[in-house]
Amino acid sequence: AQSVTQLDSQVPVFEEAPVELRCNYSSSVSVYLFWYVQYPNQGLQLLLKYLSGSTLVKGINGFEAEFNKSQTSFHLRKPSVHISDTAEYFCAVSQSGGYQKVTFGIGTKLQVIP
Amino acid sequence: DADVTQTPRNRITKTGKRIMLECSQTKGHDRMYWYRQDPGLGLRLIYYSFDVKDINKGEISDGYSVSRQAQAKFSLSLESAIPNQTALYFCATSSGQGFTEAFFGQGTRLTVV
Repeated sequence: AQSVTQLDSQVPVFEEAPVELRCNYSSSVSVYLFWYVQYPNQGLQLLLKYLSGSTLVKGINGFEAEFNKSQTSFHLRKPSVHISDTAEYFCAVSQSGGYQKVTFGIGTKLQVIP
Repeated sequence: DADVTQTPRNRITKTGKRIMLECSQTKGHDRMYWYRQDPGLGLRLIYYSFDVKDINKGEISDGYSVSRQAQAKFSLSLESAIPNQTALYFCATSSGQGFTEAFFGQGTRLTVV
């Protein structure tokens, strides 16, 4: 079985400040890891993904995440946020082989304060 | 046009009614999924289909059924709607190469009164 824990349900941050959204996972097999973003009244959009290779993954809109196998973490970071980053962010994990069921976290709401 | 289209976008229905949510995709993907999103619970998988003849229950399939009419179409039905099925429903697709990326529709907001 696999699971995802997003440690913060809401994160307020001032505009132009850095932000980190935390994600921990558990799985007995190798995994793929994802961050999705959901803007108000929209579906989920892929922000970035880790499949293999470099543990530092860069995504759209200046976001990046680092896969830490020993810590079983995949935290999302941005050095300077904008108002437009206000959204809900979901971490997800899937097995890297076989059935590849995907499990989503409960989401973290990022509120950027002007 | 969107790659994954859900209809309707919003629906209010009465308790006990049967309702169908439709999803169509132009990605050419074999795999399609229905998720439900509730505040504080994230996304939970209702049903998934790896091809037209392969349909599987997800975490929370009770009270729901699905039909995969074609590779591009995957419908979700609520047989007899109840208020706790009020939620935001998402359809998603992924390629047959595995869940390396999912593409989501814009969602259907369903309210059962």
